Amino acid sequence: NAGVTQTPKFQVLKTGQSMTLQCAQDMNHEYMSWYRQDPGMGLRLIHYSVGAGITDQGEVPNGYNVSRSTTEDFPLRLLSAAPSQTSVYFCASSYSEGQGGMGIQYFGAGTRLSVL
Amino acid sequence: GDSVTQMEGPVTLSEEAFLTINCTYTATGYPSLFWYVQYPGEGLQLLLKATKADDKGSNKGFEATYRKETTSFHLEKGSVQVSDSAVYFCALTQYSGGYQKVTFGTGTKLQVIP
Repeated sequence: NAGVTQTPKFQVLKTGQSMTLQCAQDMNHEYMSWYRQDPGMGLRLIHYSVGAGITDQGEVPNGYNVSRSTTEDFPLRLLSAAPSQTSVYFCASSYSEGQGGMGIQYFGAGTRLSVL
Repeated sequence: GDSVTQMEGPVTLSEEAFLTINCTYTATGYPSLFWYVQYPGEGLQLLLKATKADDKGSNKGFEATYRKETTSFHLEKGSVQVSDSAVYFCALTQYSGGYQKVTFGTGTKLQVIP
C-alpha cells in the first residue's frame, strides 16, 4: 500500500523557472492538501482540494497553482520560482467527514526545494 | 480563528526520562485533537488522537488526554528512548459546512541522549 507519493524528493531551481511537484494517493481520499514547512513556522497550508474538480486557497497561496482532475492526483505548480519559495513541501490526504476517519492526515515524504 | 500553541523546543532529555510536551488550543465548536511525529527526513505521521472531551489517545507508550476545561492536549511518555528523537506536532481538526480545516502547532523538537 503506497499511501501518499511525492516526486521529486529534491529539486534545485533558478529564480524565474517553473516546475510541478507531483502528489498521488491510492487511498481514495476526498481531501488533499499542500503544505510548506519552514523553520520555526510549522506547517502552512498552500492550497487544498475537497474533491476532483474542486480546489481552494489556503494560508499562503501566492506564487502557486493547483488543479485536481482526478481523485488520485493533486499537482502543485510553481509559476515563477523565487528564493522565498525555498522550503520543504508536503502533500497530505485525508478522509472527508462522510467517509469517516475523523480527520487523520496522511503525509507524503516531502519535496525539498531550493531556489537560487 | 482556531490556533494551537506548543511549548518551544528543543527539549533535550536523557534516556528513560519522563516526557511532557505541552499543547493548548483555541477553537470554536468541538475539534478533534491529534499528535503527529516527524522523524528526520520524513513526512509527518499520526501518533495518537482524541475526538471528544476526556478521551485519552495512546500509542507506542505516548499518551495525551483531551481536556476541554483547560483546552489542553499535553503529550506524555513515562520513559523516552533515543529512537523517540523527532519533531512532535499538535493539531486540531474542525468540520464546518462539509469542509475539514486542520490547524497545526509549530512543532517541538525532542532530542533524547543516551
